[in-house]
Amino acid sequence: DAGVTQSPTHLIKTRGQHVTLRCSPISGHKSVSWYQQVLGQGPQFIFQYYEKEERGRGNFPDRFSARQFPNYSSELNVNALLLGDSALYLCASSPGPGNTIYFGEGSWLTVV
Amino acid sequence: QKEVEQDPGPLSVPEGAIVSLNCTYSNSAFQYFMWYRQYSRKGPELLMYTYSSGNKEDGRFTAQVDKSSKYISLFIRDSQPSDSATYLCAMSPQAGTALIFGKGTTLSVSS
Repeated sequence: DAGVTQSPTHLIKTRGQHVTLRCSPISGHKSVSWYQQVLGQGPQFIFQYYEKEERGRGNFPDRFSARQFPNYSSELNVNALLLGDSALYLCASSPGPGNTIYFGEGSWLTVV
Repeated sequence: QKEVEQDPGPLSVPEGAIVSLNCTYSNSAFQYFMWYRQYSRKGPELLMYTYSSGNKEDGRFTAQVDKSSKYISLFIRDSQPSDSATYLCAMSPQAGTALIFGKGTTLSVSS
């Protein structure tokens, strides 16, 4: 079975631009979470979605938004990119909100 | 004080050594404790999952939780070069809610 898949794997953006990151959960998983991992740090929670509804939001500015689609895939959008947004963005899925989460390989974002 | 503290290392050991990795935490509401392994430039891989206090063993890996001391540990027996990675502890107050991670400990096992 395919694991959590994310795209793109690497991208470079300029300050002020917008980025969209995509995630397909493990088949049968209905919950998707997003984490940001800055180099040398542990992942930090951004959002959790279940059945297309937001179930949790971390301490991130409103420039960060996300949504979940009927097929349970998800997008993370970041507007007005800052240099500090450069990080590995991880998507994780689970069967439901009360289950263990499994991470994808992440999308490496570099803002220049 | 950060919610989860983890010594970033690096930790270097010879092949076959017993490795002890640790995290401390401040939030007594944490009930679920996990250890993830992360290879360079890859996503975290779940190694161990423990609820509340106690020990859990899986092959060469043993996870311990001491809620009275707010201290969790991961032991790796007979360490192998393939164990060289960053080990992240993570915890949450309820199953499936946002995980709070430590910074990760970088482990290097030399042959």
